[in-house]
Amino acid sequence: AQSVTQLDSHVSVSEGTPVLLRCNYSSSYSPSLFWYVQHPNKGLQLLLKYTSAATLVKGINGFEAEFKKSETSFHLTKPSAHMSDAAEYFCVVSNQAGTALIFGKGTTLSVSS
Amino acid sequence: SAVISQKPSRDICQRGTSLTIQCQVDSQVTMMFWYRQQPGQSLTLIATANQGSEATYESGFVIDKFPISRPNLTFSTLTVSNMSPEDSSIYLCSVEGQGLATGEQYFGPGTRLTVT
Repeated sequence: AQSVTQLDSHVSVSEGTPVLLRCNYSSSYSPSLFWYVQHPNKGLQLLLKYTSAATLVKGINGFEAEFKKSETSFHLTKPSAHMSDAAEYFCVVSNQAGTALIFGKGTTLSVSS
Repeated sequence: SAVISQKPSRDICQRGTSLTIQCQVDSQVTMMFWYRQQPGQSLTLIATANQGSEATYESGFVIDKFPISRPNLTFSTLTVSNMSPEDSSIYLCSVEGQGLATGEQYFGPGTRLTVT
């Protein structure tokens, strides 16, 4: 069965410093992988997705993620954090049929000034 | 992308009662899904709402507890039946397909349910 593991439940960074949110996946097939963001009292928003094209995926708001099959990882990065990046981030894998999403437990990103 | 609305946005209900949540999309979509997000937890898929046929439920969720309707390609309802405090969660609908990028799901704002 497919699953995702977000290695950090909480990450704290200072504004202007790099962001790294770690995600490992487990899948018996070539997965589609996503990162979603959930701001307080707002809906879920798709940040980026990987669907077997380029392994380095660029998303919105300066985020990007690299798919590494050998490490079964899909870590999310951003060169310079902004206060508005503070939110809950979910690493997500699709099921084999591509019809449903399986969410990781989430990582809370805090950004201090 | 698609614009998705949910009604109600939040509700406080007494145990033993039922609540029906509506999900409306501004365009026709192939797939509609219902998720639950319990307090401080991640999202769990409840079921896939199928247009014109019975919903497909994930393990641990049953039709008697979470009946779902999908009368057309833009609308679905989820009912939380015979509620208990353990049903207190955010319920979200999502959509995919037919005019949207393949493999991407777009989520509604959620319905925050508190059962007392």
